[in-house]
Amino acid sequence: KNEVEQSPQNLTAQEGEFITINCSYSVGISALHWLQQHPGGGIVSLFMLSSGKKKHGRLIATINIQEKHSSLHITASHPRDSAVYICAVSYNTDKLIFGTGTRLQVFP
Amino acid sequence: NAGVTQTPKFQVLKTGQSMTLQCAQDMNHEYMSWYRQDPGMGLRLIHYSVGAGITDQGEVPNGYNVSRSTTEDFPLRLLSAAPSQTSVYFCASSYSRTGNSPLHFGNGTRLTVT
Repeated sequence: KNEVEQSPQNLTAQEGEFITINCSYSVGISALHWLQQHPGGGIVSLFMLSSGKKKHGRLIATINIQEKHSSLHITASHPRDSAVYICAVSYNTDKLIFGTGTRLQVFP
Repeated sequence: NAGVTQTPKFQVLKTGQSMTLQCAQDMNHEYMSWYRQDPGMGLRLIHYSVGAGITDQGEVPNGYNVSRSTTEDFPLRLLSAAPSQTSVYFCASSYSRTGNSPLHFGNGTRLTVT
């Protein structure tokens, strides 16, 4: 069992829809990262958070430490949001544990 | 800023050959790491470094070697390539240890071992 579980594995949406991607982890963490991997393969960091909520444009990331759960929301989704979204956690070590990713496709 | 530069983008090797994947960053980051990405699996840590002269093993280090002679460079060496090492490899860096700062990734190297 992966220490980091993401759901759903695959997600399709129509342009404009509100998207939620979930990430659960098993023990206490020092930080949680959300990453985006585009079809071309490059990976970019979207958010790093250890508590509360962060917002950047149409993207919102939240974390609930007690429930060991984080969500990534995309408001007013657009085809350019189509990508794989990856959750990763740090257990206060030098190593990150990655989820297997959520593949999002947004259709016009 | 170039960020994290990773070369080559593609490589095909025969079983038993050796090669070096190059990774360089120009952000003066202390932490650098190498991951492999395989279908259906999350990114897995191969080796990492918390500063020049310091390296350590990750989750899947066997068959790979690293060194960190400068802050900027962190090459990954495949000593004797095997088909099981067919994968996409990513180099990443961050200002400090991964829990405290965002990661910056290279564009990846797609390696095929025949």
